[in-house]
Amino acid sequence: AQSVTQLGSHVSVSEGALVLLRCNYSSSVPPYLFWYVQYPNQGLQLLLKYTTGATLVKGINGFEAEFKKSETSFHLTKPSAHMSDAAEYFCAVSVIRSFGNEKLTFGTGTRLTIIP
Amino acid sequence: DTAVSQTPKYLVTQMGNDKSIKCEQNLGHDTMYWYKQDSKKFLKIMFSYNNKELIINETVPNRFSPKSPDKAHLNLHINSLELGDSAVYFCASSHAGTSGGAQYFGPGTRLLVL
Repeated sequence: AQSVTQLGSHVSVSEGALVLLRCNYSSSVPPYLFWYVQYPNQGLQLLLKYTTGATLVKGINGFEAEFKKSETSFHLTKPSAHMSDAAEYFCAVSVIRSFGNEKLTFGTGTRLTIIP
Repeated sequence: DTAVSQTPKYLVTQMGNDKSIKCEQNLGHDTMYWYKQDSKKFLKIMFSYNNKELIINETVPNRFSPKSPDKAHLNLHINSLELGDSAVYFCASSHAGTSGGAQYFGPGTRLLVL
């Protein structure tokens, strides 16, 4: 079974500073990895995903993440934080077994606060 | 042009009542899901359907019964609501076997059981 660990339930950074949200996964087979963002009282929006190929993936809103198999990590970064980045961020892993059996296993989330 | 929509957005009801949540997607996907997000923001899958066939059925009380009339719709009926059912319920959809399993979520239905 796969699992996800997000280190740090709360992260605060100053506006303009680097954002780093940590995610480690556990999977017995090559995983698909995702980052989702949830703004208050809204649904989850896909930020980026890693399936195969290039290990550095770029997503929306200037975010990117790097898949490191040796470290079983998929950390999310953004060079310069904006106030609008304040939200809850979820890392998720999926192991494709068969059609329709593609459940996402989520981490517990990291709340990102931006300090003006 | 909402991709995944849910109704209602908010649902306040009394313990013991029966309620339904509806989900529709216009992305042309063939797989749909229900997730539950608890008060601590933890997300857990409940069900998945592929082409109207139930695929994933996690450990969910029998009071919860999903139904998929067609590929674009997935409804969730809850019988005899309990206080612990209070949560946000998210519908999601994907195209099985493509897009790297990326799932697209609806805005959620906030259920409060009093």
